[in-house]
Amino acid sequence: GAGVSQTPSNKVTEKGKYVELRCDPISGHTALYWYRQSLGQGPEFLIYFQGTGAADDSGLPNDRFFAVRPEGSVSTLKIQRTERGDSAVYLCASSPRTARGAGNEQFFGPGTRLTVL
Amino acid sequence: KQEVTQIPAALSVPEGENLVLNCSFTDSAIYNLQWFRQDPGKGLTSLLLIQSSQREQTSGRLNASLDKSSGRSTLYIAASQPGDSATYLCAARNEKLTFGTGTRLTIIP
Repeated sequence: GAGVSQTPSNKVTEKGKYVELRCDPISGHTALYWYRQSLGQGPEFLIYFQGTGAADDSGLPNDRFFAVRPEGSVSTLKIQRTERGDSAVYLCASSPRTARGAGNEQFFGPGTRLTVL
Repeated sequence: KQEVTQIPAALSVPEGENLVLNCSFTDSAIYNLQWFRQDPGKGLTSLLLIQSSQREQTSGRLNASLDKSSGRSTLYIAASQPGDSATYLCAARNEKLTFGTGTRLTIIP
């Protein structure tokens, strides 16, 4: 596709439920990133994939959060037992190269707005 | 740990004026610095990326500078237009991309 796409654009769920957020990166991009943006704040790093493997998951807030990228393209961010504090915009980005080195501009999707009631 | 600060948090200027947005970062060992634009309820649009070996980048009416040693970057917008109204975010790239909290810019027609 032309850019990074994310689905759904909006997700409303109840406290305690399980949610999955999907990211389709730009075709051919090997690196994929997830960020979380709370109201009035800049995005905060969650996890980074290089290919199929999670190269850095140090930003995941706790073990309720998990992400996969089984075929090195589409990624799913999974949140178990959602809490009201998980409400935020979840942004995905992709990059044509690895984390290190020049030219690794990140291209962002429109985000998924998650609301936990 | 990298910390990125953007000043001011909000800025309103009349249409046509030139303006400067500021970004500072604490860890100068960055690979690059990227400026983004975010419209309300939308994702991020990349404006300019400056590699650590560069001092500035230009795109149209936008010019971004980087002084790595002092931990500063500026985004200069020339001849501002109402369509420039948005939140502008800078992000410093070490192993991860660390964002500032943004400057909310309003251009008054």
